Amino acid sequence: AQSVTQPDIHITVSEGASLELRCNYSYGATPYLFWYVQSPGQGLQLLLKYFSGDTLVQGIKGFEAEFKRSQSSFNLRKPSVHWSDAAEYFCAAAGQGAQKLVFGQGTRLTINP
Amino acid sequence: SQTIHQWPATLVQPVGSPLSLECTVEGTSNPNLYWYRQAAGRGLQLLFYSVGIGQISSEVPQNLSASRPQDRQFILSSKKLLLSDSGFYLCAWKGTGVGPQHFGDGTRLSIL
Repeated sequence: AQSVTQPDIHITVSEGASLELRCNYSYGATPYLFWYVQSPGQGLQLLLKYFSGDTLVQGIKGFEAEFKRSQSSFNLRKPSVHWSDAAEYFCAAAGQGAQKLVFGQGTRLTINP
Repeated sequence: SQTIHQWPATLVQPVGSPLSLECTVEGTSNPNLYWYRQAAGRGLQLLFYSVGIGQISSEVPQNLSASRPQDRQFILSSKKLLLSDSGFYLCAWKGTGVGPQHFGDGTRLSIL
């Protein structure tokens, strides 16, 4: 079955530190991959997406993600986090031609001052 | 540019009362439309999606129903709310072909 796994339920980092959020997928073929961010009480905002081509994709708010086929991973990174980055982060995937997204369970990011 | 609107933003309803949540999209035609529920501290659960007017796919059997009376309008309904219907309801749209889903701001539903 197709699935997306975010192994870390909750991560805490200090402001200014680097960040990496993990995402692994299980699909028969390489899916389309997405990262979303959700601030408390808000909807989901698309950070970045990967369809094909360059495996390092740049997104909004200084985030980037790297697609690694050999590891079935699409990890999200940011070199230096800001207090405003505290939120829930969701990784999602869609098979080619699929109408639906498969979401991971989310990673809650807390920033220490 | 495309925008998505959900209302109301918050709603408090008694058990057994009916429900109607509305979602509309502007600036696009024939979008795919989606309803999700997010329980407190939980991930996203897809409830319904629609690829066209009158076409509804139900993902989870439950107390809710969805309708799409117009191309850019998607409605989530219930005849009698249960306590377990509490949660954060999100509407999303996607253009035809490859692309991400775009989400509305959500409706916080509390059942008393």
